[in-house]
Amino acid sequence: EVQLLESGGGLVQPGGSLRLSCAASGFTLRSYAMNWVRQAPGKGLEWVSAINGRGDKTYYADSVKGRFTISRDNSKNTLYLQMNSLRAEDTAVYFCAKEKESSGFFDSWGQGTLVTVSS
Amino acid sequence: EIVLTQSPGTLSLSPGERATLSCRASQSVSGNHLAWYQKKPGQAPRLLMYGASRRATGFPDRFSGSGSGTDFTLTISRLEPEDFAVYYCQQYGSTPLTFGGGTKVEIK
Repeated sequence: EVQLLESGGGLVQPGGSLRLSCAASGFTLRSYAMNWVRQAPGKGLEWVSAINGRGDKTYYADSVKGRFTISRDNSKNTLYLQMNSLRAEDTAVYFCAKEKESSGFFDSWGQGTLVTVSS
Repeated sequence: EIVLTQSPGTLSLSPGERATLSCRASQSVSGNHLAWYQKKPGQAPRLLMYGASRRATGFPDRFSGSGSGTDFTLTISRLEPEDFAVYYCQQYGSTPLTFGGGTKVEIK
C-alpha cells in the first residue's frame, strides 16, 4: 500500500525558513515524479513544485520560484521542500503527491502538514 | 497559464439526486489531460477521474466524466451520503499545473 507521510510543518515568522519532508513507502520512490501541492485556509488547491524521479529536473509555481527548493533522497525514500523567505500568504496545508507514471496528475497523496507564517 | 473555472461554487442537493459539475478552461487542455479529485475536510484529496473520463480505482460507476477542449463535466448520477465533498478539476496538459477553485457538493 502506498503511504506518504509529511512532516516538518509548524509556526514560523515572516522571512523565516522551514523544511518539509515526505516519507514514502509501499512503492519505489525513484520510479515516480513527486510534487508538493498546498491548500491555504478556506481556499482551493494550488500546485507548488514538482521533481522527476532522478531528481535532476525541477519545476516551480511562479509564487514560490526563487524561494522554495524541492529535492529528493531516493535512498531514504524521502521528498523534501526547503522553504525560505516565507510570507504570510505561504500559510497552508502542504501535501506531497505522487504522480501516476509521470503523467502530471496525482494518484496518491499524503495527509498534509500545516505551515503557518505569522509574527 | 491555463485558468480553470469551476461552477457552480456550491451545489445543494439531496441524496439520490444527480450532480453536474462544470470545469471550464481558459484555453484548450492538451490531450484532454484533465483530472478530478474529491476532497473531504481534514483528509487528503483522492484522485477520482483522469484523462477527462477515466475513473480511478475505488470509485463506483455513478461517477462519470466527459468533455474535451475547454469544457469538462463531472456527473454523479445518484448522490450517496459519502459523495458530499468538494471536487476539484486539474489540468496536466501544460505547465504550470493548475487546479480549479472547487465545487462544494453539500446536503440540501
